[in-house]
Amino acid sequence: GESVGLHLPTLSVQEGDNSIINCAYSNSASDYFIWYKQESGKGPQFIIDIRSNMDKRQGQRVTVLLNKTVKHLSLQIAATQPGDSAVYFCAETDYGGSQGNLIFGKGTKLSVKP
Amino acid sequence: NAGVTQTPKFRVLKTGQSMTLLCAQDMNHEYMYWYRQDPGMGLRLIHYSVGEGTTAKGEVPDGYNVSRLKKQNFLLGLESAAPSQTSVYFCASSWGRDTQYFGPGTRLTVL
Repeated sequence: GESVGLHLPTLSVQEGDNSIINCAYSNSASDYFIWYKQESGKGPQFIIDIRSNMDKRQGQRVTVLLNKTVKHLSLQIAATQPGDSAVYFCAETDYGGSQGNLIFGKGTKLSVKP
Repeated sequence: NAGVTQTPKFRVLKTGQSMTLLCAQDMNHEYMYWYRQDPGMGLRLIHYSVGEGTTAKGEVPDGYNVSRLKKQNFLLGLESAAPSQTSVYFCASSWGRDTQYFGPGTRLTVL
C-alpha cells in the first residue's frame, strides 16, 4: 500500500508465488491510472494502465484491478520472479481535468526470495 | 530509439553554484516533465511543459527554472544550489496527459 513517513512498505514473497500490491488513490475524479516499476538506480518504467471505465485489465503476468467505489487500485503479479524485485508506484490523473498531471503514490517495495 | 535521456548522470555542487540538467527525448512527445525523488517522498513534480516554448509550475517549483526552446529538449536550471536540492532528478515525456516515459535520472548532491 501507500507509504507513510520515510520508510516504504515492503512486500516479501517467495519466488513463484503471486504478489498483490495495493494502492489507495485520493481523487474521486481521477479517471486514468498507471502502475510503474522502479528498479534500484533506474527511472520508473511503465507496466500497465487502466481507465475508469474498466475494472480489470490484464497484461503479461500482470493484472490491474480498479475499485472506484472505495478508490482502490491493485497490481497482481503472477509467478513472481527475482527480476520483479523493485519499488512499485501507482499514479492517477484526472485525464479530462484542467491540469491532468500524474499524482504518484509513494511506492511499495517488492522483495522476491529465491 | 533512445527514449528519454538525461545528462549528466551524477553531479556534486557546492552551495551557491549553478548548473543545468538536460533532458532529451526522441519520441516526438509534446509534454515533458521534471521531477525530484527523495526517500519516502515519492515523485514530486517541479515544472512541466505542454509544448515547445511553454512551461508551467508543478508542486515544488521554488529554486528551479526551466526552458523548452526545442520540442525534444527540456532544461532544468538551478541558479543557486542549496543542500535541500540534493535529490535524484527524473525527466519524463508523454504524448498528452497520459503515460509518461522516464529517463534514467540524475543524482545531484549539494554540499
